Amino acid sequence: AQKITQTQPGMFVQEKEAVTLDCTYDTSDQSYGLFWYKQPSSGEMIFLIYQGSYDEQNATEGRYSLNFQKARKSANLVISASQLGDSAMYFCAMREVLLDSGYALNFGKGTSLLVTP
Amino acid sequence: NAGVMQNPRHLVRRRGQEARLRCSPMKGHSHVYWYRQLPEEGLKFMVYLQKENIIDESGMPKERFSAEFPKEGPSILRIQQVVRGDSAAYFCASSLAGASYNEQFFGPGTRLTVL
Repeated sequence: AQKITQTQPGMFVQEKEAVTLDCTYDTSDQSYGLFWYKQPSSGEMIFLIYQGSYDEQNATEGRYSLNFQKARKSANLVISASQLGDSAMYFCAMREVLLDSGYALNFGKGTSLLVTP
Repeated sequence: NAGVMQNPRHLVRRRGQEARLRCSPMKGHSHVYWYRQLPEEGLKFMVYLQKENIIDESGMPKERFSAEFPKEGPSILRIQQVVRGDSAAYFCASSLAGASYNEQFFGPGTRLTVL
């Protein structure tokens, strides 16, 4: 069974600073995928970044990067140059393969990020 | 190109009533997933459907919940005889078919409140 752990219920960061949101995982699968999603107060789920377990490079998407440490089973999200609009809930998730080319996302409990001026 | 659409966005039901939540996947997407988000929690997988087939319903409660994705029309998540504990946000996601990784695109969610 998979498990995703986000140990920071809430984080504060000042505008323009960088912030790291922690995510650790547990799985017996050799091949897996890790995702980060953002959920602003409006409620929608916004995909941010994906890291495959066999990807040698850490994933990056604009101001988002994923600090993937396979041996430590961690996949921390780094947001550089924080903006006020980054204030939201952030969820780490792992892909669980299902039948017929499908997959379920197993989410952590999330971290609430507040960016202050 | 419209994204995943869900309606209604907000739904209020009294205990014992039925709730019907609709999801129209993105154009060309044949895989539909339903997730539930309880307050202060992450999303939990409920069911995975393709057209006219339930592929995996391992996350669905055994009673009162059902889902379908007919040949024509949206996917429906149906909750019979709702209870207060069913109050949650219900998200639908869709993806393209295929064996390799395909991103799941989420709808805006339906927020169900049971009085």
